[in-house]
Amino acid sequence: SQQGEEDPQALSIQEGENATMNCSYKTSINNLQWYRQNSGRGLVHLILIRSNEREKHSGRLRVTLDTSKKSSSLLITASRAADTASYFCATVTGSARQLTFGSGTQLTVLP
Amino acid sequence: DTGVSQDPRHKITKRGQNVTFRCDPISEHNRLYWYRQTLGQGPEFLTYFQNEAQLEKSRLLSDRFSAERPKGSFSTLEIQRTEQGDSAMYLCASSHIKTSGRDNEQFFGPGTRLTVL
Repeated sequence: SQQGEEDPQALSIQEGENATMNCSYKTSINNLQWYRQNSGRGLVHLILIRSNEREKHSGRLRVTLDTSKKSSSLLITASRAADTASYFCATVTGSARQLTFGSGTQLTVLP
Repeated sequence: DTGVSQDPRHKITKRGQNVTFRCDPISEHNRLYWYRQTLGQGPEFLTYFQNEAQLEKSRLLSDRFSAERPKGSFSTLEIQRTEQGDSAMYLCASSHIKTSGRDNEQFFGPGTRLTVL
């Protein structure tokens, strides 16, 4: 079962604009991670934020975490056509420390 | 290339046939995971190995599915008597218990896309 839900399901923007994706989850977490997946390919880890952190930056990425609302957001600034991909949030759960993924946001950046 | 590799990348089979996929994790990664991803959804956890021991299996892993990791290196995932509902992308991921710890950042392979006709 999916732990989280991403919003929106699909997002289309112009190159240079910012893109914001939101993720909600159900259970308490140790950390929340964001992954990118290009069409039909494997996932690439983007950024991780721990439950005791509220905001984190990595290059053009900014992640926030609100544990009281069980939600996170991913902001991509100055988007590029190469950012076109599906973006998934994932939480580490279970004794196996497996990732539980949301349903993803499909981002399209138009040149 | 030192990333996670999977073979084959694509597999088309007829219903009822058996298929086997292989995953080679990053060298020295002692954790290995299998996930399944259907179109438009996020990956779902199937099973987990720590070294050669299979420590957890999801309820998604029916008795037609079996996974092994002999010698704690590469892993295989076999599906017997395939059904059309098995059509999906099968992803393998690895991590190292010491370097990733509780964070468990996982490194994914490119996946094997299975189509059951």
